[in-house]
Amino acid sequence: AQSVSQHNHHVILSEAASLELGCNYSYGGTVNLFWYVQYPGQHLQLLLKYFSGDPLVKGIKGFEAEFIKSKFSFNLRKPSVQWSDTAEYFCAVKGNTDKLIFGTGTRLQVFP
Amino acid sequence: DVKVTQSSRYLVKRTGEKVFLECVQDMDHENMFWYRQDPGLGLRLIYFSYDVKMKEKGDIPEGYSVSREKKERFSLILESASTNQTSMYLCASSHRTGAYNEQFFGPGTRLTVL
Repeated sequence: AQSVSQHNHHVILSEAASLELGCNYSYGGTVNLFWYVQYPGQHLQLLLKYFSGDPLVKGIKGFEAEFIKSKFSFNLRKPSVQWSDTAEYFCAVKGNTDKLIFGTGTRLQVFP
Repeated sequence: DVKVTQSSRYLVKRTGEKVFLECVQDMDHENMFWYRQDPGLGLRLIYFSYDVKMKEKGDIPEGYSVSREKKERFSLILESASTNQTSMYLCASSHRTGAYNEQFFGPGTRLTVL
């Protein structure tokens, strides 16, 4: 069965610090990978996605993620976080069906 | 601008009541989904519909049923609400299998069962 692990449950950073959130999945076949973000009081929205091609994917608001097939990983990165990045971040994987499997989420708090 | 709307942002019900949560999308998507979101558990799929009148159980269907009579509308039904169904409920929609079938989410309904 497919599963997604997000190892960091709660991350606290100061503004301008670099960010890396881990995401590992288990699935033997071809995958599509997603990072979603939920800002306080707002709906879940897509940050970036990987379907094929260049394993380094760039998303909105300066975020990027790298798909490393050999490690079954899709870590999210941002070189310099802002207070407005405070949110909950979810990694998700899609295999050969239309269903997404989500990780448990990482709550990011950025202090000025 | 694409939209998924949910009938209520906040709902308070009593144990044993029948509860209806409504979701409407305007993107002509084939797929619609109901999730519940709980702290520390992420999003868990309750039910999935890939076409009108078609449905498939997700990971936690017990205590829930769904209805999809029209393509744009997907309803979640709690036949007899219980306190352990207090949660945030999220609706989503997407196109059927393809390169661009990301899911679009509604704002959520926070349900409290007393």
